[in-house]
Amino acid sequence: GESVGLHLPTLSVQEGDNSIINCAYSNSASDYFIWYKQESGKGPQFIIDIRSNMDKRQGQRVTVLLNKTVKHLSLQIAATQPGDSAVYFCAENTGYSTLTFGKGTMLLVSP
Amino acid sequence: GAVVSQHPSWVICKSGTSVKIECRSLDFQATTMFWYRQFPKQSLMLMATSNEGSKATYEQGVEKDKFLINHASLTLSTLTVTSAHPEDSSFYICSARPSGQGIGNSPLHFGNGTRLTVT
Repeated sequence: GESVGLHLPTLSVQEGDNSIINCAYSNSASDYFIWYKQESGKGPQFIIDIRSNMDKRQGQRVTVLLNKTVKHLSLQIAATQPGDSAVYFCAENTGYSTLTFGKGTMLLVSP
Repeated sequence: GAVVSQHPSWVICKSGTSVKIECRSLDFQATTMFWYRQFPKQSLMLMATSNEGSKATYEQGVEKDKFLINHASLTLSTLTVTSAHPEDSSFYICSARPSGQGIGNSPLHFGNGTRLTVT
């Protein structure tokens, strides 16, 4: 159910800065990870994915880093733009053909 | 490609009534679809896995008689919230992956969600 007073972690950056959003995952057996972007009132939008046999993957303006030793995932956004403002979720495949989502981070980009 | 359409985008209903939400894969077939629920400022929580031609699989704590799922074709899954109450008010989101693509090599594609408000 809903938790009263729950707030999403928020990252505030200036337009043009680089942003780094972090995610800790819990299942060492997870073998596939995805970052999603969710704008207000919309469903999650795929950004980038990475398999556990990799530690880095780059897309257009985005890079995902995976550190399996400490079970940490990060999303780097270069030259952040106001249109990047959204909530970002990491998701992991925990081995049951479904995705488990992290808690999310709100990214606020100021012009 | 891989577009998932959800309808309606928002609905308001009275307590005790039932509401049906449709999820369609527009340009691919999906043997399996997933229904998530999201409360404000929270993450997505998986409710159930919808399987074409067979019964849905529900997550622990989700009442199957209250959240009826029907996956009658390879492009359509429906979620019916029966006897809705105010605490069912939430953002319901469906997702799908093209048939034949495994979890380890392809992402889920999400619909734009349905905002349900029960008065």
